[in-house]
Amino acid sequence: QVLLAESGGGVVQPGRSLRLSCAASGFTLSRYAMHWVRQAPGKGLEWVAVISYNGSKEYYADSVKGRFTISRDNAQNTLYLQMNSLRAEDTALYYCATLAVVGATVFDYWGQGTLVTVSS
Amino acid sequence: SYELTQPSSVSVSPGQTARITCSGDVLAKKYARWFQQKPGQAPVLVMYKDSERPSGIPERFSGSSSGTTVTLTISGAQVEDEADYYCYSGTDNNQGVFGGGTKLTVL
Repeated sequence: QVLLAESGGGVVQPGRSLRLSCAASGFTLSRYAMHWVRQAPGKGLEWVAVISYNGSKEYYADSVKGRFTISRDNAQNTLYLQMNSLRAEDTALYYCATLAVVGATVFDYWGQGTLVTVSS
Repeated sequence: SYELTQPSSVSVSPGQTARITCSGDVLAKKYARWFQQKPGQAPVLVMYKDSERPSGIPERFSGSSSGTTVTLTISGAQVEDEADYYCYSGTDNNQGVFGGGTKLTVL
């Protein structure tokens, strides 16, 4: 059974940092690129970042570029999102997801999310 | 930056056909996916490569593409299809982009 479990969310003051984790089980994490997607309260989905299967490439949404860093530890089956210089507009539920479609094979799994609230 | 535009809401009666559109320049070159999200739940993939349906998704869900617009069609919409729907695409610069979402009401 494929499971993605995010953790590390909480309440943080503007300008501070937070590190999210996503523990993967039931599949081999090292085979897939991994994404972070967020959803502000009552709002739509926003793609945040992606990291290649081996961690060699990272891409970010313009809204977080230079502040957030995505990384992974395939040996520990864990994905991370380091969030620095947090702003009020970063307040959201953060999902990790596979979003994998390779040819006719779909491997699309999402966690349940971890809530980040940026507030003074 | 890339944008995908969806109507904010669509409303149909049970048994009618619901059509949700998604427009954006990137769709002329990239495939789209559609996600269904019900309150308090994570999104679920209901369509990929514009018109491919994942296993387990009812046949009443279908997808099509024309130029820079993709359409998710729910033929004979059911009350349980009421949800928010989001289109998604990858971009030329390796980012991802979601549409703003469409609230489907079936009543």
